[in-house]
Amino acid sequence: QKEVEQDPGPLSVPEGAIVSLNCTYSNSAFQYFMWYRQYSRKGPELLMYTYSSGNKEDGRFTAQVDKSSKYISLFIRDSQPSDSATYLCAMSGDSGAGSYQLTFGKGTKLSVIP
Amino acid sequence: GAGVSQSPSNKVTEKGKDVELRCDPISGHTALYWYRQSLGQGLEFLIYFQGNSAPDKSGLPSDRFSAERTGGSVSTLTIQRTQQEDSAVYLCASSLGSPPGNTIYFGEGSWLTVV
Repeated sequence: QKEVEQDPGPLSVPEGAIVSLNCTYSNSAFQYFMWYRQYSRKGPELLMYTYSSGNKEDGRFTAQVDKSSKYISLFIRDSQPSDSATYLCAMSGDSGAGSYQLTFGKGTKLSVIP
Repeated sequence: GAGVSQSPSNKVTEKGKDVELRCDPISGHTALYWYRQSLGQGLEFLIYFQGNSAPDKSGLPSDRFSAERTGGSVSTLTIQRTQQEDSAVYLCASSLGSPPGNTIYFGEGSWLTVV
């Protein structure tokens, strides 16, 4: 079992839809949870950063972390064609190698159709 | 510039040749990281620098790979005797302070193709 599982998609939605992206993980030491957006042939861009369990909202984006279920989600409201990209979840721990080695999911490719 | 800068952005090299990839972190960032992203794979950790020291080189795939950082700033990733399986995007990242808890910013990557 991989440490972080993420459905690769592709996921195709109409403009204006609510998008739900998620990752599951197996390492209970993970404490920091991130979502990155990566456009084609570009580097990953940090979207959301959460510590431990809970919700965080930033504009059209909401990140949720449920540590009891080892499950994290990213919701995109009122999706736009410009949201079309690959979304990567990433996690790290509190100490040791786990604190600086981000563990990534393989990414979900999202297309928002006008 | 304001972001992490990497060069070259694209490199095509012949099998067996050596390549050097350069990373300029965000000014003032003490921590620097190298990751590799292969087609269809997630990002794979290679090495972490705190200042000029690399406390963790465990992610380097083989002894053909080496990295250094000088002046607490620029870093170079060197791949000797390149192989076709080295073809990938090599991503550099930096953060303001020691992990955890500091946002990690990525560069655009160096796209390496070994033919």
